[in-house]
Amino acid sequence: QSVLTQPPSVSAAPGQKVTISCSGSSSNIGKNSVSWYQQLPGTVPKLLIYENNKRPSGIADRFSGSKSDTSATLGITGLQTGDEADYYCGTWDSTMSVWVFGGGTKLTVL
Amino acid sequence: EVQLLESGGGLAQPGGSLRLSCAASGFTSGSCAMSWVRQAPGRGLEWVSGIGTAGNAYYADSVKGRFTVSRDISRNTLSLEMNSLRAEDTAIYYCAKLHLYSATYYDAWGQGALVTVSS
Repeated sequence: QSVLTQPPSVSAAPGQKVTISCSGSSSNIGKNSVSWYQQLPGTVPKLLIYENNKRPSGIADRFSGSKSDTSATLGITGLQTGDEADYYCGTWDSTMSVWVFGGGTKLTVL
Repeated sequence: EVQLLESGGGLAQPGGSLRLSCAASGFTSGSCAMSWVRQAPGRGLEWVSGIGTAGNAYYADSVKGRFTVSRDISRNTLSLEMNSLRAEDTAIYYCAKLHLYSATYYDAWGQGALVTVSS
């Protein structure tokens, strides 16, 4: 059972928009910034969003992030088949002094 | 270019030990907080352990008392000593680097080292 809760899967058609939620608590998301990671099949996780809503260089502006209270959301617009991957949210938990990840969400582009 | 290269994975018996190493290049590993993150077959990411720039170490409850993280600044390497291994420790172990200044996100990951615990 992960400390951060994500839906196990989401799906949408090419060109559509999808959102992935990440729910935590006052000791993690409520206190610290959230980052998101994309893991394409058979590859290493890659940073997608950092500090709640910032994109690293090279990440398309189709990807966006937001945070409110103890929850965060990843948004992906203009879905492409190449976006099919597992997506993870993560942050530091200040009470437990551990880094926590969400359980991951598998995105399927139908 | 920042690179992280894990080594030391392999097969261990239950109750046995293994030592993982992560060679860093393109930056001074001692100036960044570093972590080990694992992924069991078909499962999600699980944070295992981390070490701060001051040498302070942190562990997930699942490995506390069995795993020890350390760093060798002179060799620019991060290590994870794993003892009393269990079948549930079977996973790919990634070395990951936290951002130099904010330390609030992982901006580089190694390719991973496979650890299999089985008799």
